This record gives sequence, structure tokens and C-alpha cells, in this order.
Amino acid sequence: RKEVEQDPGPFNVPEGATVAFNCTYSNSASQSFFWYRQDCRKEPKLLMSVYSSGNEDGRFTAQLNRASQYISLLIRDSKLSDSATYLCVVNIGGNQFYFGTGTSLTVIP
Amino acid sequence: DAGVIQSPRHEVTEMGQEVTLRCKPISGHDYLFWYRQTMMRGLELLIYFNNNVPIDDSGMPEDRFSAKMPNASFSNLKIQPSEPRDSAVYFCASSLGLNQPQHFGDGTRLSIL
Repeated sequence: RKEVEQDPGPFNVPEGATVAFNCTYSNSASQSFFWYRQDCRKEPKLLMSVYSSGNEDGRFTAQLNRASQYISLLIRDSKLSDSATYLCVVNIGGNQFYFGTGTSLTVIP
Repeated sequence: DAGVIQSPRHEVTEMGQEVTLRCKPISGHDYLFWYRQTMMRGLELLIYFNNNVPIDDSGMPEDRFSAKMPNASFSNLKIQPSEPRDSAVYFCASSLGLNQPQHFGDGTRLSIL
């Protein structure tokens, strides 16, 4: 089983829609979590850290579910500019961290 | 503030040649990471350093790949000899700690002919 798994998509949603991605992790000792965004032919950029209590930044909400071992990213009122690949990162601690393979999102006019 | 700086942005060379990729991390970041990204394999961690010391190089594909970090402000990744299957985008990233977000450079797009 992979340490981190993401649905690769693609997710194709209309503008204004709400879309959510999950990222499951296998190690219950995982300590910190992040969502990155990667545009085509660009570098990954940090989108949000994921805190135990959940956190929100504008249209974006990140949540952690330790019991079920996944993190989620919710995007409300999707914009065309949200089209990108979304990568999750899970830090297990010690020297171990893992990137997911990414979920592709296309927002359609 | 300057981010992670990588050079060159693009490299096209013939197989068998030595390739050197360079990275300047964000000042004050203790961790530096080298990644390779392809469509087929996604983002792969090659090696990372803590305070200039290589910590985990298990992702380095084979002996043709080597990486050094002679000081806190510079690292290089070398491929010798290069092969067409090494063609990929190579990213360098740095962070304050392993539990901290990583900041990526623009990447080097490497094509081996």
C-alpha cells in the first residue's frame, strides 16, 4: 500500500462549482500535512498547511480526519484560475515525508 | 525575498555528456531537496540534505547521479554520463525543517538527446 494516495482525476467542474479532493495516508503517526498547487510546466507551490482543527483561506478549506487517515481540500466557487494539479504532502516524522501523485482539476467556463 | 534559485532553466545535451544542475536555497533554510518530475512517474525525491549533510539518497536512481552541498548556499546535482531516460524536470526545494513547507525553485528542464 502506498504511503499517500490521491485520486488522479481529472476533475472537470463548471465555474462556480464546489469541488473536494481527498488524500489518504497509511501511517497513523503522521505529523504534518500540506496541500500544494502545481500549474502546468511550473513548480509546486504551497497552498495551505493542514491543521488538526481545520483551516480556511478564502474559498479554500483544508481539513484533517485522523480517525480515517485522510486530509481534504475543498474549493468553493471555483474559478478558471483554480485549474491546476493539487498535491498533498504527509510528514511522518523522523526523516520521512511523502508527496501524493496529485489530483488534476480543470474548471470549465 | 529571493526564493530558491535554480540554473540553468533549460538544458539540452547529447547522451553521454555530463550535466550539472545548480541550486541556491533560501537563506536560513536548513533543508535542501532535489526532485525529478516526469509525466510517467510524477514527482520523485532524489536526495535531501540537512545542514549540508546528505540524509537520504535512496531516491538517487543509480551511480550516474551524484549530489553535493559544499556550503549552506549552494548545491549541485550531476549526471554523468547522461542518458535519454534522464530527461525530466528537476526541482530543487528548501525548507526550515522537515515538518515545514518546502519552497521550490522554477526547475531545470533537461532534455537528453
